[in-house]
Amino acid sequence: EAGVAQSPRYKIIEKRQSVAFWCNPISGHATLYWYQQILGQGPKLLIQFQNNGVVDDSQLPKDRFSAERLKGVDSTLKIQPAKLEDSAVYLCASSSLVIRGHEQFFGPGTRLTVL
Amino acid sequence: QQQVKQSPQSLIVQKGGISIINCAYENTAFDYFPWYQQFPGKGPALLIAIRPDVSEKKEGRFTISFNKSAKQFSLHIMDSQPGDSATYFCAASKRDNFNKFYFGSGTKLNVKP
Repeated sequence: EAGVAQSPRYKIIEKRQSVAFWCNPISGHATLYWYQQILGQGPKLLIQFQNNGVVDDSQLPKDRFSAERLKGVDSTLKIQPAKLEDSAVYLCASSSLVIRGHEQFFGPGTRLTVL
Repeated sequence: QQQVKQSPQSLIVQKGGISIINCAYENTAFDYFPWYQQFPGKGPALLIAIRPDVSEKKEGRFTISFNKSAKQFSLHIMDSQPGDSATYFCAASKRDNFNKFYFGSGTKLNVKP
């Protein structure tokens, strides 16, 4: 079974620039999550999709972050404009209550550095 | 409000020793408690998980102990090996269709050879 794919793996940008991350979940997984993991902290949920609908985006800074999951498969997370405090690893995860219960499967993450 | 509190922040154990990481949660509606292991440059991967209807679950050298009344659970790594050196996260969620996880802050384990 192929895992969760993410790209790019690393990104360095200047503050106020824009950046986009891409995630392809495990095939058949209806639920997709984007997490922000700041160095030394646990993953913090930014947004959760069920198929192509948003279930939870309460922690998403909507003035600068946006995400979409067209056709209920892959997803993109965008930051525009980036701030220094956005430097973190952005993790994508997917799950399927039908296939594997409550386990969330994580991708390798995208490490973002904002200068 | 932090839903899951994890300690210690870092842990150094000698090879062959026992590593113990503790977590406490607030919401009594939580009923799924996984532990994730994360190596540098990798995403977290499920290590072991427990539901509150049992007090202990063991898989190989890894054991979760669960205390429902105290709202605490812990990960024990027996015979710790240098290959266990990683960051460990506890989490909690409700068994509903949303499957939202609340993660602890992580414990960086270093097993000395």
